[in-house]
Amino acid sequence: SQQGEEDPQALSIQEGENATMNCSYKTSINNLQWYRQNSGRGLVHLILIRSNEREKHSGRLRVTLDTSKKSSSLLITASRAADTASYFCGETSGSRLTFGEGTQLTVNP
Amino acid sequence: NAGVMQNPRHLVRRRGQEARLRCSPMKGHSHVYWYRQLPEEGLKFMVYLQKENIIDESGMPKERFSAEFPKEGPSILRIQQVVRGDSAAYFCASSHHVLSLAGAADTQYFGPGTRLTVL
Repeated sequence: SQQGEEDPQALSIQEGENATMNCSYKTSINNLQWYRQNSGRGLVHLILIRSNEREKHSGRLRVTLDTSKKSSSLLITASRAADTASYFCGETSGSRLTFGEGTQLTVNP
Repeated sequence: NAGVMQNPRHLVRRRGQEARLRCSPMKGHSHVYWYRQLPEEGLKFMVYLQKENIIDESGMPKERFSAEFPKEGPSILRIQQVVRGDSAAYFCASSHHVLSLAGAADTQYFGPGTRLTVL
């Protein structure tokens, strides 16, 4: 299976609901980075969480990291239609980022 | 403060031609990374460069692909004799790469990508 594997592959929710996306990784990471990609566009960096951190917040985003389970989650609270995008986690080992296939989030107005 | 810039944004080539993709990192960044994204897939690491040096090219095909990051000017990803399977979005990222005490790599900032279509 792929490293930096996101789950679910697709998620559809109503505006105002919370969205949770999970990511599992395989290596001993330096840090883990979450990105958003709108259709046909480049990646936008959301949050970087280091291997010695357990939780990090940025606005409506909350990221957790469980190094014992090699997993991370991204929570988007009070979702908006503009949050519709693909979300990728990238595990950083050394200097390389290894991405999974992403979670496609659709927020319905 | 301009972000990572890539050009061209769209590139169309016929089979057998050469494709040159350019990437200008963010100001102050001396580390550049190239990734490829096939349709409906995640990004795959290709190569990591510092000024005038290739640090890690383990994700780059051995043939037809090359990358450079000269002392002056942008980083170039070059694909010779393109084939249809090379059609993809190619993203460049840059980082300042200040290592923390934990030895952690820095945030990578991505450009808008170059969409290569091989006819």
